[in-house]
Amino acid sequence: DTAVSQTPKYLVTQMGNDKSIKCEQNLGHDTMYWYKQDSKKFLKIMFSYNNKELIINETVPNRFSPKSPDKAHLNLHINSLELGDSAVYFCASSRQRNQPQHFGDGTRLSIL
Amino acid sequence: GENVEQHPSTLSVQEGDSAVIKCTYSDSASNYFPWYKQELGKRPQLIIDIRSNVGEKKDQRIAVTLNKTAKHFSLHITETQPEDSAVYFCAASHQAGDYKLSFGAGTTVTVRA
Repeated sequence: DTAVSQTPKYLVTQMGNDKSIKCEQNLGHDTMYWYKQDSKKFLKIMFSYNNKELIINETVPNRFSPKSPDKAHLNLHINSLELGDSAVYFCASSRQRNQPQHFGDGTRLSIL
Repeated sequence: GENVEQHPSTLSVQEGDSAVIKCTYSDSASNYFPWYKQELGKRPQLIIDIRSNVGEKKDQRIAVTLNKTAKHFSLHITETQPEDSAVYFCAASHQAGDYKLSFGAGTTVTVRA
């Protein structure tokens, strides 16, 4: 019954690898987001999709590529992982833009 | 872009006392101000939000006030309990920014029993 679910919950990998994080929401929301939370707990928006259309693309390295196959899914692919990518990545969704956002449980990415 | 500043960064209160967290924002066009609570190792959870056409909103022990002229908003928690211990984040967004949420740096609240 989880509203916003992310997989995997933990991801430990070597520098230089490519990895993906998946997100699904069953709330019927139109808008989905990816956030990065660093070691100091600062939350920063990375991307946002509204009805499968990219609407927010912050200054994120192009090694990060989001993909939204449909309104209920927003995946994040990361190429050539670097040490600085270690963080917790949160997916979120909202009914529409400027509506309350519901967060997933996060994916803790650790780069060795 | 929008810049949200949050104070204090840490707050320790005795159980039963009140806690107040203050945020200021830079863009006068911002019109939506949510507050999130994040317990250790958990996801941020919306606890209350306010829009710019409202000056104050209350939900049981939690209240938020907004001063549009001064561009600041505050979270008030009354009768604090140990389960209120968490990191609290304020945020702001507006239409011209594609409704992007800009978060404050967070306040770690510790309620002493």
